[in-house]
Amino acid sequence: GAVVSQHPSWVICKSGTSVKIECRSLDFQATTMFWYRQFPKQSLMLMATSNEGSKATYEQGVEKDKFLINHASLTLSTLTVTSAHPEDSSFYICSARKIAGPADTQYFGPGTRLTVL
Amino acid sequence: QKEVEQDPGPLSVPEGAIVSLNCTYSNSAFQYFMWYRQYSRKGPELLMYTYSSGNKEDGRFTAQVDKSSKYISLFIRDSQPSDSATYLCAMSARNDYKLSFGAGTTVTVRA
Repeated sequence: GAVVSQHPSWVICKSGTSVKIECRSLDFQATTMFWYRQFPKQSLMLMATSNEGSKATYEQGVEKDKFLINHASLTLSTLTVTSAHPEDSSFYICSARKIAGPADTQYFGPGTRLTVL
Repeated sequence: QKEVEQDPGPLSVPEGAIVSLNCTYSNSAFQYFMWYRQYSRKGPELLMYTYSSGNKEDGRFTAQVDKSSKYISLFIRDSQPSDSATYLCAMSARNDYKLSFGAGTTVTVRA
């Protein structure tokens, strides 16, 4: 298997502030990480693909200026929600791509619950 | 039509029963197939990964892939209350690392 961590696990902030979420692959290097958003009782919605050393690729409808992604190293990607508003409250989950032989899959972090007041 | 179809359930079974989950898909380019388990308020945990048709077994879990029918299954034998979770199927095409997810099936194993 593989271990991916996220920090913080939950955060509450005031409207208008920025929040940074970290995603780390603990026991493998990941050139590609992903950021998802999940609403209650729904499946995961891909927000963006984070590539180490280059700009992130955002899915259609995701504001890149609002959700800033930085993939500074092979084990760390960060998502910053800028000027957060209550509608940004959600469960944010990252994953890291691991390639081992013929296997190519994603391992997920535990998620970060963001509540914007 | 969604690319990946999965019955959201909910599915309730007594302890010790076999849990049967399945997904159908429409994209014939999908080559890699995964099953994830997600507990409430947690991230998905990879249970099974396959990249060919056939069966794969790991403990109480068996994954089946039938590419000709575009149909995948996950069986959980001797189910336990700790198996109560949402199970997500996911798949991707070769050279396309983006995952396409099913809606997830919520399973409850009654003690």
